[in-house]
Amino acid sequence: QQPVQSPQAVILREGEDAVINCSSSKALYSVHWYRQKHGEAPVFLMILLKGGEQKGHEKISASFNEKKQQSSLYLTASQLSYSGTYFCGTEWGDDKIIFGKGTRLHILP
Amino acid sequence: NAGVMQNPRHLVRRRGQEARLRCSPMKGHSHVYWYRQLPEEGLKFMVYLQKENIIDESGMPKERFSAEFPKEGPSILRIQQVVRGDSAAYFCASSQHWGADTEAFFGQGTRLTVV
Repeated sequence: QQPVQSPQAVILREGEDAVINCSSSKALYSVHWYRQKHGEAPVFLMILLKGGEQKGHEKISASFNEKKQQSSLYLTASQLSYSGTYFCGTEWGDDKIIFGKGTRLHILP
Repeated sequence: NAGVMQNPRHLVRRRGQEARLRCSPMKGHSHVYWYRQLPEEGLKFMVYLQKENIIDESGMPKERFSAEFPKEGPSILRIQQVVRGDSAAYFCASSQHWGADTEAFFGQGTRLTVV
């Protein structure tokens, strides 16, 4: 029942855009996005609650489509500092967060 | 305000020994989650605790693994009679209260190596 993330990995040049998708097999209450750099702790990016909202965080934003049971993370004009593994965590009303396998993002200069 | 503190950062154990991993949540946080991460893999949920209570341990192996979060002191993840397959990074996260809108903050993790 782990959420499915796609793609598994992305290689971009600095300044390019990326979209990371997160799909759930059952109805979502919330989606949590984190970024983890190699050897470090996951760092919180944002939470989206059911209701189809969209959120932004500088050049990183996300949407939550309750009907499709999925969320997408948008990175625009990517910077070198955006490199890392992005995890979506889904919560189904039981207060525990189940993470996907992650999407590895590598930004080239 | 210190973040989530985990110790030790690195732990080496021989097969058959016990491993104790500690997690001190952020100040004011009463909810702790433990996750296991294998190299190049995602964060696998293990257990969710509130002070003195185990809320959900559905991700924890039935044998050798236990977790507690006492009224005073850190949360402890204990692995008895460790095996090579237990080698992984163990992360804990803490949050202020229950709810879908609550962000969880992660510690730096404990990297367990079983030799």
